[in-house]
Amino acid sequence: NAGVMQNPRHLVRRRGQEARLRCSPMKGHSHVYWYRQLPEEGLKFMVYLQKENIIDESGMPKERFSAEFPKEGPSILRIQQVVRGDSAAYFCASSQQGAVNYGYTFGSGTRLTVV
Amino acid sequence: AQTVTQSQPEMSVQEAETVTLSCTYDTSESDYYLFWYKQPPSRQMILVIRQEAYKQQNATENRFSVNFQKAAKSFSLKISDSQLGDAAMYFCAYRVLSGGGADGLTFGKGTHLIIQP
Repeated sequence: NAGVMQNPRHLVRRRGQEARLRCSPMKGHSHVYWYRQLPEEGLKFMVYLQKENIIDESGMPKERFSAEFPKEGPSILRIQQVVRGDSAAYFCASSQQGAVNYGYTFGSGTRLTVV
Repeated sequence: AQTVTQSQPEMSVQEAETVTLSCTYDTSESDYYLFWYKQPPSRQMILVIRQEAYKQQNATENRFSVNFQKAAKSFSLKISDSQLGDAAMYFCAYRVLSGGGADGLTFGKGTHLIIQP
């Protein structure tokens, strides 16, 4: 079991470009969560998805950010027209259906740097 | 809204000694889960220990144990026989027990644990 896979590990984007972050959950996991970690901060919840559904996006900025978890393929966190303030580590976590009351399994994160 | 507070930005302990990391939280819920996560320099978030609020018995995982005081909303982590590999950021996290959305974890800002050889 390869665990939660995130890629790329590091991503550099110029201001105004788009950033696409990918997350492949653990085998058998159908719930995906995205978190953002700013420097010197804890992780902040962004969005919770199940296959083809957004369940809770209460932590997502209203503009420029979107997330999807299609029937096939990884979950994607998309940031349009990136700004310097988007520089952070973005973590994905997954859990099994029916086991949502456990701590999730996290990926190693994608560090986004906006220059 | 729930908040999690870790009042110690940094802690230092001698190898083989015991250290306690503090965590307090604020919630109006009665059923919830509490977690401690470890984040080494690799950035991987590793679950150390979890506690269900309805359980009075404190959770224990080998050298790691918690002191859960529900009335005081306190959830401290004790690391016994500290090892060099324990050096990391430690995050306390809270999650409400719910059947629907709002399933995200709320994290504290973390405590940087330094192990002195």
